[in-house]
Amino acid sequence: KNQVEQSPQSLIILEGKNCTLQCNYTVSPFSNLRWYKQDTGRGPVSLTIMTFSENTKSNGRYTATLDADTKQSSLHITASQLSDSASYICVVVGGSYIPTFGRGTSLIVHP
Amino acid sequence: ETGVTQSPTHLIKTRGQQVTLRCSSQSGHNTVSWYQQALGQGPQFIFQYYREEENGRGNFPPRFSGLQFPNYSSELNVNALELDDSALYLCASSFRPGAEVGDEQFFGPGTRLTVL
Repeated sequence: KNQVEQSPQSLIILEGKNCTLQCNYTVSPFSNLRWYKQDTGRGPVSLTIMTFSENTKSNGRYTATLDADTKQSSLHITASQLSDSASYICVVVGGSYIPTFGRGTSLIVHP
Repeated sequence: ETGVTQSPTHLIKTRGQQVTLRCSSQSGHNTVSWYQQALGQGPQFIFQYYREEENGRGNFPPRFSGLQFPNYSSELNVNALELDDSALYLCASSFRPGAEVGDEQFFGPGTRLTVL
């Protein structure tokens, strides 16, 4: 069964600090992996998309890594801001068009 | 912000009623997918429409149905509402129903449905 597991479930950090969110998946075959940011009560917004051949991709202060061999990905947030407070969802797309979503990591950034 | 819009923003219904949610896809997109997101959970795939035909369905009962119109906008209908149907309903549009990078889904803001 295709699954995407994210950790930690929630995280609280101080403004200006860095943090790393983890994503492990069992989706096969693999097409691409996406990280989304979802503000409370809003739709997810894409941060990065990585294919099998990509190890890292950045979008401003967000840097995603992918290890397709171990089926692991991480999202690193640098110099966090209050506006980074949101849920971060890892999504893996396999051979079909139906993406598999993780449950998300809830990040709270405190001043 | 994506070009995907959803209406209404919020909705309150009672158990047993029927509801229709609407979604306008981003310009140039012919594929719409619907998701249910319960509080604290990731989105769960309901179904997808491609060129006015259902193109795949998740593990949801038949009382969840949909339509796609010639302009590629879409409706999600839920009959005989149950308390567990309370959730954020998201629609996402894409250029095509594939799994490649270019088939990225763009999400609307969602409709918050509360069933009492």
